[in-house]
Amino acid sequence: EAQVTQNPRYLITVTGKKLTVTCSQNMNHEYMSWYRQDPGLGLRQIYYSMNVEVTDKGDVPEGYKVSRKEKRNFPLILESPSPNQTSLYFCASSSSPGGTEAFFGQGTRLTVV
Amino acid sequence: KQEVTQIPAALSVPEGENLVLNCSFTDSAIYNLQWFRQDPGKGLTSLLLIQSSQREQTSGRLNASLDKSSGRSTLYIAASQPGDSATYLCARWTGRRALTFGSGTRLQVQP
Repeated sequence: EAQVTQNPRYLITVTGKKLTVTCSQNMNHEYMSWYRQDPGLGLRQIYYSMNVEVTDKGDVPEGYKVSRKEKRNFPLILESPSPNQTSLYFCASSSSPGGTEAFFGQGTRLTVV
Repeated sequence: KQEVTQIPAALSVPEGENLVLNCSFTDSAIYNLQWFRQDPGKGLTSLLLIQSSQREQTSGRLNASLDKSSGRSTLYIAASQPGDSATYLCARWTGRRALTFGSGTRLQVQP
């Protein structure tokens, strides 16, 4: 089954404690991306990757890092989480951004206290 | 910067009704548009992708149309069911390799 898998689904952490949210896709997609969803602000792109070792900033990259060492994986790293990063995070993938369907993971609800 | 607007923000209908959700966008560039469904506490499920060269796309009881000249897309749901209750999001690809999302229409279908 074609899918994008995120882990964990729920995470509560404390300010400043580094964390990683993993994302994996089994569709051999070159494009992957991270979004955050906040009430009143909708979904906004954090980072995206066009291929292995190729990443670029989205609209709200501050406080986040990403890496793309393998085609199937695109982890989101919060080096020093802060309460304003409390949000619902989604990973997405597509074979051709803009041209083909985008698939999204189930989401990770992060709370930073 | 492209903006995507969805109207109405919320909609409540009795089971069996046909309904239309609206999406408008400001950028006239030729990009594809995708409709999603989001259930509480769950991810985004892709419903339909409309290529910029297409006028409409159908999947079961769903039909989505695209009118680039007016900057509008509609999602038509036939014979609505309680299981259709969810938030429906339209999103348009931008030249910056991102999806720009509307704020969504929260649909409640009453049994």
